[in-house]
Amino acid sequence: KAGVTQTPRYLIKTRGQQVTLSCSPISGHRSVSWYQQTPGQGLQFLFEYFSETQRNKGNFPGRFSGRQFSNSRSEMNVSTLELGDSALYLCASSEDVNTEAFFGQGTRLTVV
Amino acid sequence: TQLLEQSPQFLSIQEGENLTVYCNSSSVFSSLQWYRQEPGEGPVLLVTVVTGGEVKKLKRLTFQFGDARKDSSLHITAAQPGDTGLYLCALEAPTDSWGKFQFGAGTQVVVTP
Repeated sequence: KAGVTQTPRYLIKTRGQQVTLSCSPISGHRSVSWYQQTPGQGLQFLFEYFSETQRNKGNFPGRFSGRQFSNSRSEMNVSTLELGDSALYLCASSEDVNTEAFFGQGTRLTVV
Repeated sequence: TQLLEQSPQFLSIQEGENLTVYCNSSSVFSSLQWYRQEPGEGPVLLVTVVTGGEVKKLKRLTFQFGDARKDSSLHITAAQPGDTGLYLCALEAPTDSWGKFQFGAGTQVVVTP
């Protein structure tokens, strides 16, 4: 069974640009969560989707958004990028909302 | 507010030594997970502990869940360079606003040959 796939692995963007990150969960998993990881803040929850519906949202500004498609693949978008958005963005998938989560390798975003 | 406190923040030891890292909360939690994250990779689940007082062993790793279910520890015996990584504990968040899991800040472990 293939694991969680995140694309791209690395990304460099300029301040003010927008970016879209993609996550393909493990086949059969319907729940996808996104996290931002920085050295100073650790793993911070962004949002969680289940069956195309956003279940939870963390304390991030509206520039951060996401969605989930009918095949459970998910995307997150960050608009008007700031230097502080530089981070490792991790996606985790699970079969259901209360089951074990499996992480992808992450997308390393650098904003210059 | 950080629900989980991990200590120490950083640990550097020689190959063959033992180490223990801790995860504490002021609240009781129903289950707790331990992950290891290597540089450039996502966290990988090591174990889930559910029952107070529970002890689980995974080769040289021993995980303990406190009797009161407010703390947990991870002990590594005879550490190897391959044990190097960021060790994270996580619990299922008590409210929806925290998302699915709340993570501790992690303990960075470095094992040198």
